Amino acid sequence: ETGVTQSPTHLIKTRGQQVTLRCSSQSGHNTVSWYQQALGQGPQFIFQYYREEENGRGNFPPRFSGLQFPNYSSELNVNALELDDSALYLCASSLVGAPDTQYFGPGTRLTVL
Amino acid sequence: DQQVKQNSPSLSVQEGRISILNCDYTNSMFDYFLWYKKYPAEGPTFLISISSIKDKNEDGRFTVFLNKSAKHLSLHIVPSQPGDSAVYFCATPTGTASKLTFGTGTRLQVTL
Repeated sequence: ETGVTQSPTHLIKTRGQQVTLRCSSQSGHNTVSWYQQALGQGPQFIFQYYREEENGRGNFPPRFSGLQFPNYSSELNVNALELDDSALYLCASSLVGAPDTQYFGPGTRLTVL
Repeated sequence: DQQVKQNSPSLSVQEGRISILNCDYTNSMFDYFLWYKKYPAEGPTFLISISSIKDKNEDGRFTVFLNKSAKHLSLHIVPSQPGDSAVYFCATPTGTASKLTFGTGTRLQVTL
């Protein structure tokens, strides 16, 4: 059984650009959540997808958007990047019927210059 | 307003001793709690969880205690090993989407 994978590992962008981060969820998991972890903080919930629909959103502006595909993989898109978007972006998936225990990928480190 | 608080940013413990990591929460309606361990450059790894119907859950060297009246939980690691050195986060599902709300983490260093 493969775990949660994310790509790319690292990414450097400049302010104003757009970025797409990718996540493949663990086998059998149909719910995907995205989190942002700034330095020295705990992960902050961005949004969650279930059956290809957004199923809840944290306190992030609309320039943060996402997609979930039929194979349960997911994308996080961020438009008009700002310096404060520099962070570790984590994807987590959870089992059918047990949405509260979430399993995290290794993350994508985004640096915005 | 932080709903989940870890007031100790760091903790140093000798190998073989007990490590106790603490977490406080604000809402008595929270009914499920998780602990995650995070190494640098990796995502958080699920360690152990506890439901509010229990006051203790044990898994090998890891035990989580829940004190509902005090809105407090703690993670005990016995005996501590150098490989336990990491940042530990407590978390709880909040809202309808099972979003996890995390504390700010405690960095544990286990020394030889």
